[in-house]
Amino acid sequence: QSVLTQPPSASGTPGQRVTISCSGSSSNIGSNYVYWYQQLPGTAPKLLIYRNNQRPSGVPDRFSGSKSGTSASLAISGLRSEDEADYYCAAWDDSLSGPWVFGGGTKLTVL
Amino acid sequence: QLQLQESGSGLVKPSQTLSLTCAVSGGSISSGGYSWSWIRQPPGKGLEWIGYIYHSGSTYYNPSLKSRVTISVDRSKNQFSLKLSSVTAADTAVYYCARVSGPDGMDVWGQGTTVTVSS
Repeated sequence: QSVLTQPPSASGTPGQRVTISCSGSSSNIGSNYVYWYQQLPGTAPKLLIYRNNQRPSGVPDRFSGSKSGTSASLAISGLRSEDEADYYCAAWDDSLSGPWVFGGGTKLTVL
Repeated sequence: QLQLQESGSGLVKPSQTLSLTCAVSGGSISSGGYSWSWIRQPPGKGLEWIGYIYHSGSTYYNPSLKSRVTISVDRSKNQFSLKLSSVTAADTAVYYCARVSGPDGMDVWGQGTTVTVSS
């Protein structure tokens, strides 16, 4: 049972815009930054979004993050086949669950 | 370019201690502002944070694993290590090491190493 809640799956067709949600609580998302990681099949996770909505160098601007209250979202616009991967949200947690907590992951399928 | 590389025992017997090392290259593990973390991923499941060690040597562990985990740093070898005691089949996973750049998150990851707990 993950501290942060994500839908197990999401899908879209090439060119579409898809969003992945991440729900938490006041001790994590509500009071700390949210991070998103992309894990392509058989590879290590890669930082996609940090500090809620910042992109590391090299991450396309098709990827964007947002946060509101105790929830966060990752949006992918202009969906491409190479975006098919697992996506995880993460946050610092101020409670006994922490410090770092992850979501259970969302498998994105490009149809 | 900073790189991390995990190594260690790939097969561990139940009740024994799992030992892994993460070698840091392209940068110093003693650089201020960073912490060094371990994360694991059981087969077909999501990510679980295990713990991290600050450049100062302070450690923070996942409360659910705290009684069994030790993370340490060897500055002379520019590496940090994970020990997990009294392992069971539930500890079978791919283990990753990562650098945590403060509020900028876990920005550099190793490729991961598979550990199987089995007799």
